[in-house]
Amino acid sequence: GAVVSQHPSRVICKSGTSVKIECRSLDFQATTMFWYRQFPKQSLMLMATSNEGSKATYEQGVEKDKFLINHASLTLSTLTVTSAHPEDSSFYICSARDVFPGETQYFGPGTRLLVL
Amino acid sequence: AQSVSQHNHHVILSEAASLELGCNYSYGGTVNLFWYVQYPGQHLQLLLKYFSGDPLVKGIKGFEAEFIKSKFSFNLRKPSVQWSDTAEYFCAGRKTSYDKVIFGPGTSLSVIP
Repeated sequence: GAVVSQHPSRVICKSGTSVKIECRSLDFQATTMFWYRQFPKQSLMLMATSNEGSKATYEQGVEKDKFLINHASLTLSTLTVTSAHPEDSSFYICSARDVFPGETQYFGPGTRLLVL
Repeated sequence: AQSVSQHNHHVILSEAASLELGCNYSYGGTVNLFWYVQYPGQHLQLLLKYFSGDPLVKGIKGFEAEFIKSKFSFNLRKPSVQWSDTAEYFCAGRKTSYDKVIFGPGTSLSVIP
């Protein structure tokens, strides 16, 4: 089946620094990628929808200047957490959808971010 | 707004017991529905999905789900659970294949040996 990878799998950073998380679709082209956030023992909350070559669409309450999303190619989307703070510590999961309609979203393994 | 709800926050069962996890969605008309499982420390895995056709969907690991349009429900079932089924289960849905997937709050299943 389709594979979505994320890098890094874990990252620890100091408060105030920026962290970039990569999401790649490995054997298919993804015109649309989604970024989710999951707090411990909670569900996945959609942060934004990223379309290749255009600006991301953010969900209500998500700061677009804090969570920068770039979807530069059909196989790569990046999420940059700018000026990270401890409350940004979370599990970030990306998902990619194949260009063909009717396909399931494939989920990446997630990136655990810890901001000290 | 589109939403997915799950009836149970935490379910505890003994091995060999039958399982049914409730899921309801708020969409009308066309809908794509999913059940995902997240084992401790692991990432999401797709158990099964419904797009159209036979409302009884069979998935991996012996799970099945039934889409009942009149009840806006998509309950997950397994006739006999095992200790290895201990995990977090998420129901999810989207309006069409072009829409974003919205997740329910999840149900934590603990199976006691």
